[in-house]
Amino acid sequence: QKEVEQDPGPLSVPEGAIVSLNCTYSNSAFQYFMWYRQYSRKGPELLMYTYSSGNKEDGRFTAQVDKSSKYISLFIRDSQPSDSATYLCAMSPPVAGNNRKLIWGLGTSLAVNP
Amino acid sequence: GAVVSQHPSWVICKSGTSVKIECRSLDFQATTMFWYRQFPKQSLMLMATSNEGSKATYEQGVEKDKFLINHASLTLSTLTVTSAHPEDSSFYICSARDLQGIYEQYFGPGTRLTVT
Repeated sequence: QKEVEQDPGPLSVPEGAIVSLNCTYSNSAFQYFMWYRQYSRKGPELLMYTYSSGNKEDGRFTAQVDKSSKYISLFIRDSQPSDSATYLCAMSPPVAGNNRKLIWGLGTSLAVNP
Repeated sequence: GAVVSQHPSWVICKSGTSVKIECRSLDFQATTMFWYRQFPKQSLMLMATSNEGSKATYEQGVEKDKFLINHASLTLSTLTVTSAHPEDSSFYICSARDLQGIYEQYFGPGTRLTVT
């Protein structure tokens, strides 16, 4: 079993829809959770960063962490064609020292159709 | 803020030659930089973690003599693919972590390497 599971999709939605992207994980020690957006042939861009449980909102994006279910979500409201990209979740347990690395999901490919 | 550049953005080289890719943090200092490899429609594969002034830590299965990493300053890390072969063709992406940061990484735009 992979440490982080993410459905690769593709997910196709009409413009204006609410999009829900999810990841599950197996390591209960994970405390730091991130969502990245990657456009084709570009480097990933950090979208949201949450620590431990709870919700975080930034504009049209909301990140949720449910540690009891080992489940994280990214919601996109009023989706736009420019949101079409691959969304990757990443997470880490607390680790001392500089070599703190992220564990990555496979990424979900999202297409928002005008 | 948190801008990372990579150079070159794409490169074509002949089999057997070496290629150097530069990764720079432009507006912050990065003690730690990461090098990833990504194949089409696949996720990021961490190759190595580099800390300024010390040897890089390579992930299992990554040949350290083939992928040479140097992190000489708080704003620059380089990856040299030595004796490149066609199977080394891939998208290489670096990321950097701010000195003040905890886990978040900021990525460069990537370098597409094609070995002929």
